[in-house]
Amino acid sequence: SYVLTQPPSVSVAPGQTARITCEGNDIGSKSVHWYQQKPGQAPVLVVYVDSDRPSGIPERFSGSKSGNTATLTISRVEAGDEADYYCQVWDRGSGHHVFGTGTKVTVL
Amino acid sequence: QVQLVESGGGVVQPGGSLRLSCAASGFNFNTSAMHWVRQAPGKGLEWVAFIRDDGGDKYSADSVKGRLTISRDNSKNTLDLQMNSLRVEDTAVYFCAKEVLRKGYFDLWGRGTLVTVSS
Repeated sequence: SYVLTQPPSVSVAPGQTARITCEGNDIGSKSVHWYQQKPGQAPVLVVYVDSDRPSGIPERFSGSKSGNTATLTISRVEAGDEADYYCQVWDRGSGHHVFGTGTKVTVL
Repeated sequence: QVQLVESGGGVVQPGGSLRLSCAASGFNFNTSAMHWVRQAPGKGLEWVAFIRDDGGDKYSADSVKGRLTISRDNSKNTLDLQMNSLRVEDTAVYFCAKEVLRKGYFDLWGRGTLVTVSS
């Protein structure tokens, strides 16, 4: 089955930039989506189709992809960005959707 | 109001059954593909099952295939998950989620309902 690997944790000081990676085989051929989840809450879509941002999501959140790695970048990090972040793709071969292992972002 | 509201969670013994429901409102449910996603305590998100807008196509994760069955009633704007032969490892918060039309991502989530499988 298809696997998406993320670093378990990323720590960043307020005002700095956080980068969260998502690695998967042939991820370049798939659309990658990103979700933010705060404790006790449902996930919220922050980036879709690699780099598009839903309305209401700050421009500080951006997505990119290169080779076998997709990246979610959070610029000018704020305390309110502290959360778990998940990447997600649709695996055409199996018809299944796959979430990454998740990354906990801690704001120092 | 655009929302999804899950119900039906609770405590069940291993081998037992439970039926979850998700009530949709505020959007065209009958043109939306829907999913169930779960999250075990302290763990990450796991996709569980998908159903096409007309109910004509379904997929489920290998971990639940043959035990958890997704269905929908477009006349009532409801999504269901019939859970049979439950295992301890099925313990999780179950979210229903709406997929953006054939785009593969989820733009609306419910708050989830907790299923605990324990003797």
